Amino acid sequence: DAKTTQPNSMESNEEEPVHLPCNHSTISGTDYIHWYRQLPSQGPEYVIHGLTSNVNNRMASLAIAEDRKSSTLILHRATLRDAAVYYCILRDHLGGNTPLVFGKGTRLSVIA
Amino acid sequence: KAGVTQTPRYLIKTRGQQVTLSCSPISGHRSVSWYQQTPGQGLQFLFEYFSETQRNKGNFPGRFSGRQFSNSRSEMNVSTLELGDSALYLCASSPDFNNEQFFGPGTRLTVL
Repeated sequence: DAKTTQPNSMESNEEEPVHLPCNHSTISGTDYIHWYRQLPSQGPEYVIHGLTSNVNNRMASLAIAEDRKSSTLILHRATLRDAAVYYCILRDHLGGNTPLVFGKGTRLSVIA
Repeated sequence: KAGVTQTPRYLIKTRGQQVTLSCSPISGHRSVSWYQQTPGQGLQFLFEYFSETQRNKGNFPGRFSGRQFSNSRSEMNVSTLELGDSALYLCASSPDFNNEQFFGPGTRLTVL
């Protein structure tokens, strides 16, 4: 499985933007970049995913480097509710359904 | 639309016993995946079912098994429980291949 590297932890002030980095230097052409997060005492929840172009949804934006070897999840205005562990996952969409392979993720703390 | 439900939410068993956990996916979702989460190993994929067939299996011993019924509900079974099986067991459903996965709240299993 293709691997991702994320910082163990990050801290942000409330109402400020947060940029969560992810390195995936061995990404293959059919790997999509998925982000999930897990709030305390809850199951993970989907945040966003993309292949090559930058993506936006109501929760976040995903910026993907031109060479696809790294990406950044952007929370535009962090709230206390965004404190969670964020997982960057590569998922091969070729050849059928593939399971999510979670790494250690980045623990985001939001300070009021 | 109701989310993924898992029962029971908490369970205490002793070594050597067996346990069955249940998962009801979101209505219309045909894929159900199971994950184990422990502090040491993080989130690990157990198996995935689609239309009553196991499509993917993680690297777990044969004591871990599962099945899916015609209504897409799924159960997982762990036989001959060991202390190391203490974990949060998460179920996730999705409509089809490589769609986002929707996680349930999990079943917290404690083996004494």
